[in-house]
Amino acid sequence: KNEVEQSPQNLTAQEGEFITINCSYSVGISALHWLQQHPGGGIVSLFMLSSGKKKHGRLIATINIQEKHSSLHITASHPRDSAVYICAVFSLEYGNKLVFGAGTILRVKS
Amino acid sequence: EPEVTQTPSHQVTQMGQEVILRCVPISNHLYFYWYRQILGQKVEFLVSFYNNEISEKSEIFDDQFSVERPDGSNFTLKIRSTKLEDSAMYFCASTLPRGEQFFGPGTRLTVL
Repeated sequence: KNEVEQSPQNLTAQEGEFITINCSYSVGISALHWLQQHPGGGIVSLFMLSSGKKKHGRLIATINIQEKHSSLHITASHPRDSAVYICAVFSLEYGNKLVFGAGTILRVKS
Repeated sequence: EPEVTQTPSHQVTQMGQEVILRCVPISNHLYFYWYRQILGQKVEFLVSFYNNEISEKSEIFDDQFSVERPDGSNFTLKIRSTKLEDSAMYFCASTLPRGEQFFGPGTRLTVL
């Protein structure tokens, strides 16, 4: 059973395209994290959100608590955005820990 | 900007040997975590640590694993007798209460 589902699993885009990655979860949460993992393996936190919308540069993250769904958008995508994007949720039902989605592999071609 | 550091970046060991993975969390953070990622799989929680004790652990974190914060700055993960299936990337993370998690760069453990 996957507590955190991401779609798509793989995504190839042309440079400049608008990209959307989706995340659905099954329990009430206190926070949702969007993370970026580069080919070298390191993980960087992009956003932590519990409601509404956050924007940082070309990245926008939204969350709908009632629908248990979040989206990560990348505007004007660039080859350097190529990475694995991971959704993870923090819920008291899971204890004091993050539960991770399987990740979305994004490749942006020039 | 403060960051979480981990050493070594890559550790190769023989099956049955003990390994210690080291992490230096961000200095004013209070919660500390170890995660692992087997190649090609998703990141999995191992253990969380707060106020000098384990607050949560997964079923992966059996008696072969232990954590310690020996000196108020380092946070270590010890695997007593490594198995082939322990080969993975191990990430340390730290956070303030209800805060964003800051991840270290990871230690790649290879068990031969």
